[in-house]
Amino acid sequence: EAQVTQNPRYLITVTGKKLTVTCSQNMNHEYMSWYRQDPGLGLRQIYYSMNVEVTDKGDVPEGYKVSRKEKRNFPLILESPSPNQTSLYFCASSLWGDSGNTIYFGEGSWLTVV
Amino acid sequence: GESVGLHLPTLSVQEGDNSIINCAYSNSASDYFIWYKQESGKGPQFIIDIRSNMDKRQGQRVTVLLNKTVKHLSLQIAATQPGDSAVYFCAERTSGSRLTFGEGTQLTVNP
Repeated sequence: EAQVTQNPRYLITVTGKKLTVTCSQNMNHEYMSWYRQDPGLGLRQIYYSMNVEVTDKGDVPEGYKVSRKEKRNFPLILESPSPNQTSLYFCASSLWGDSGNTIYFGEGSWLTVV
Repeated sequence: GESVGLHLPTLSVQEGDNSIINCAYSNSASDYFIWYKQESGKGPQFIIDIRSNMDKRQGQRVTVLLNKTVKHLSLQIAATQPGDSAVYFCAERTSGSRLTFGEGTQLTVNP
């Protein structure tokens, strides 16, 4: 089954404690990205990756890091989380340049920073 | 019922009515547009798409209209059902696979 898997799905953490949200896809997609979703702001792209070892900033990259050492994995790293990073995070993958009907989203990760 | 772009993020309709959800996009260079549906606790799901060389596209119970002159996109849902209750997002693609999403409209269908 084609899927994008994120972990953890739910996390409460404290300010400054480094955390990583993992994302894995089993479709051999080149393109992967991370979004955060906040009330009234919709989905905003944090970082994206066009292929292994190729990453680039999205619209709201501050406070986040990513890596793409393998094609299937695209972890999101919060080195020093702050309360304004409390949000719902989605990972997505697709073939590069492909149509919107083959962009797959994960089920989301609820992150609370206290 | 009809929403007014990004300034009215909620839309409430009666079951069986037609729904119209509007979206204003920002980039005249965008070549591809998509509507997504997001149910509570889930990730966005593709509904319908349209390329910039088209004005209208129909799917099953859904129609997307594109007006490039005023950079406006709409989603029409015919005979709205309770299962259609969700947040609906428009997205525009400006290059490659990069998408920019609207803030979304919450559609509530009353029985």
